[in-house]
Amino acid sequence: DTGVSQDPRHKITKRGQNVTFRCDPISEHNRLYWYRQTLGQGPEFLTYFQNEAQLEKSRLLSDRFSAERPKGSFSTLEIQRTEQGDSAMYLCASSSTGFKETQYFGPGTRLLVL
Amino acid sequence: EDQVTQSPEALRLQEGESSSLNCSYTVSGLRGLFWYRQDPGKGPEFLFTLYSAGEEKEKERLKATLTKKESFLHITAPKPEDSATYLCAVQAGSGYSTLTFGKGTMLLVSP
Repeated sequence: DTGVSQDPRHKITKRGQNVTFRCDPISEHNRLYWYRQTLGQGPEFLTYFQNEAQLEKSRLLSDRFSAERPKGSFSTLEIQRTEQGDSAMYLCASSSTGFKETQYFGPGTRLLVL
Repeated sequence: EDQVTQSPEALRLQEGESSSLNCSYTVSGLRGLFWYRQDPGKGPEFLFTLYSAGEEKEKERLKATLTKKESFLHITAPKPEDSATYLCAVQAGSGYSTLTFGKGTMLLVSP
């Protein structure tokens, strides 16, 4: 039983560089979520896909952030022109369709912007 | 706007010393209240979902309860391996299925 996987687990980059993260959801799940978590805080919602459609985006998702889920399977989250304030843990979660579905989280990608 | 407040921020217990964590919430129609456990440097691990006031769920030494305004996570006779951050999240009844999280309670159980 494979869970949600994320790659890479850690990323160190210099300010101004672009970074891309990948999330592979649980295979039968058609909903996929991205959250961001900073130290001492709970996860904050970024964006949500149902199959390949991006249905909701948080105001936290500035125009430097873009997410895709091209075939309704894996998803990528790209941050352009990174800033030090982007340093955080980026979490991916997936769930099945339904009113009472549970979101299962991956291990996260820890980003450090120098 | 949906809001979740968890207390205390941190809790230190001796092994075997039972206690409770609190999660107070305001949400426009509760679809579900979720408890997750998070170990340092890892993603949240699902524990429980509660859907309606009066509902209770148990797993090993943990028991979660729900009222119309708050949820409690009761920890009975904790062990050092229960040390973690416990996160509470709510899902609103309307709109999409995103979760609003509290800041968590960091639990440390000493042997």
